[in-house]
Amino acid sequence: SQQGEEDPQALSIQEGENATMNCSYKTSINNLQWYRQNSGRGLVHLILIRSNEREKHSGRLRVTLDTSKKSSSLLITASRAADTASYFCATVISNFGNEKLTFGTGTRLTIIP
Amino acid sequence: AAGVIQSPRHLIKEKRETATLKCYPIPRHDTVYWYQQGPGQDPQFLISFYEKMQSDKGSIPDRFSAQQFSDYHSELNMSSLELGDSALYFCASSPDRVSSGANVLTFGAGSRLTVL
Repeated sequence: SQQGEEDPQALSIQEGENATMNCSYKTSINNLQWYRQNSGRGLVHLILIRSNEREKHSGRLRVTLDTSKKSSSLLITASRAADTASYFCATVISNFGNEKLTFGTGTRLTIIP
Repeated sequence: AAGVIQSPRHLIKEKRETATLKCYPIPRHDTVYWYQQGPGQDPQFLISFYEKMQSDKGSIPDRFSAQQFSDYHSELNMSSLELGDSALYFCASSPDRVSSGANVLTFGAGSRLTVL
């Protein structure tokens, strides 16, 4: 089963609205990261939140982390057409010094102009 | 700035053939990761290398193998290709975790493999 599961799987909103995507995971983590992927392209790192942090901001992005509920959310404010992409959360679990990223199922975000 | 370079970008093979994908990490990044992403799927971790040694292994089939060379580039070799191997294959690299403090990956643009 996936370490990270996201909801919704697809989201369509009007340009200018806020978009919220959620991610849940199963095991304890070192940090959680959000990546963006345009169709058929590589993944681009957006933001990282460590397990001892609760909220983090970067431009129009706001990430929260609730380790007690094993969940995170990504908020994109004032959405733009260029934000249309798939968004993945990825968890990092330190395993004897190896820190691979395990990706969730992703949310496909469509911004309607 | 230099990014992660993958080649080829597109590859078409027949069933049972062999394919090799190459990855050139960002200079001074010491860890390379390979991920496989099927159509509409999330990226699945295959294998990683740290300082030219295999550091972790995920859902990589026995038909696949990979290595990291002395110049830090990595190659993913896939043999006896099956239709289900059709996917985007991503390579990513990351800098030394001790100095950077966290494992942030920089991904290449991917190699799209189509098996007919």
